Amino acid sequence: ETGVTQTPRHLVMGMTNKKSLKCEQHLGHNAMYWYKQSAKKPLELMFVYSLEERVENNSVPSRFSPECPNSSHLFLHLHTLQPEDSALYLCASSLDLLGTGPQHFGDGTRLSIL
Amino acid sequence: GQQVMQIPQYQHVQEGEDFTTYCNSSTTLSNIQWYKQRPGGHPVFLIQLVKSGEVKKQKRLTFQFGEAKKNSSLHITATQTTDVGTYFCAGPLYSGAGSYQLTFGKGTKLSVIP
Repeated sequence: ETGVTQTPRHLVMGMTNKKSLKCEQHLGHNAMYWYKQSAKKPLELMFVYSLEERVENNSVPSRFSPECPNSSHLFLHLHTLQPEDSALYLCASSLDLLGTGPQHFGDGTRLSIL
Repeated sequence: GQQVMQIPQYQHVQEGEDFTTYCNSSTTLSNIQWYKQRPGGHPVFLIQLVKSGEVKKQKRLTFQFGEAKKNSSLHITATQTTDVGTYFCAGPLYSGAGSYQLTFGKGTKLSVIP
């Protein structure tokens, strides 16, 4: 039990589908993150949220749309993805954005684009 | 720009041999963190070093933070097959507006040959 729960664990979708990834943290943290992990780029930061406000978007294509309705929940909405978007998507949380404490990761969603 | 660099990218060792991975930052860090990701798993926090020259041990793992707080190392003595995985270092780099981004190195993938 990591305290960070991601669903679904696996997702296969076509390029025209719309799906959403969900992340929930039970640690009372104020910051949440989306990472993309593939063989080519081990840990690629996508989005950072602090107290439900997006503070960083690392040049992520608009086909990825994050949503943070409250400090415990984070979503990643997917639309018209490309085959190169197949990867492991990891959610993480930390107490704050000061980088003084660890990040806690969920198990990830393994995404395959057909 | 600021970055955290890690070498080597891959390391294959015979079971029982020692293993070391090195981490370097372009700037002084307030702390350095180490994570381990088992195959098929997610990054799991191992340890955090804060003080200049600090050395911490966890069983066969020895973590070191450099005197200048810009480099770190993880040394595993007498590797076992359970040590297989990717080891990431991470340090907080200033990202502007008073916040820091925990920046991960690209990781060292350790394979242990039985």
